[in-house]
Amino acid sequence: GENVEQHPSTLSVQEGDSAVIKCTYSDSASNYFPWYKQELGKGPQLIIDIRSNVGEKKDQRIAVTLNKTAKHFSLHITETQPEDSAVYFCAARPPAGNMLTFGGGTRLMVKP
Amino acid sequence: EAGVAQSPRYKIIEKRQSVAFWCNPISGHATLYWYQQILGQGPKLLIQFQNNGVVDDSQLPKDRFSAERLKGVDSTLKIQPAKLEDSAVYLCASSLNPVGGYEQYFGPGTRLTVT
Repeated sequence: GENVEQHPSTLSVQEGDSAVIKCTYSDSASNYFPWYKQELGKGPQLIIDIRSNVGEKKDQRIAVTLNKTAKHFSLHITETQPEDSAVYFCAARPPAGNMLTFGGGTRLMVKP
Repeated sequence: EAGVAQSPRYKIIEKRQSVAFWCNPISGHATLYWYQQILGQGPKLLIQFQNNGVVDDSQLPKDRFSAERLKGVDSTLKIQPAKLEDSAVYLCASSLNPVGGYEQYFGPGTRLTVT
């Protein structure tokens, strides 16, 4: 089955700096890669996603890049703000069904 | 649009007791998922329903866990008997359908503590 590795497990940045979280996946057939933000006591919230026919997608301060050859994808957050502090999860989905395999999560701390 | 609703939000039980969780998905969402999230880890899929049929339950510990989705809307997840290692947050998610709507929307979860 699919296996997703996520790094780093914790990331501390200064407000205004950029943050990058990286994930690798094992199943080359996976074609959908969402990113979720989870705040304390809440369920994961979808923040951006990318499909395998696209190399990059941007939404305001958030961008995701996908390298299918290397089987890795990354989340980029620019101009970080304290409210960006949360745990971020990447996930991958193979073409059959809609079963997501999640990475282990990255705890992002943005220091004011 | 109302989100995915779950109850209870918190539950504390002793080992060997039974417990049930309830989920109400977003209206019109045909697909419903139950995930287990152990502290410090990513969610792990337990079972996926398409309407009221099971699509995948390969990671559901069937000797103690059961789930149903009667009438293709609400769902319940049951654990009987509970073990200490079942302590986790149980998340319910829903999506339109696997083909047309990939996006999964999560509820707030039920935090289970087994003592």
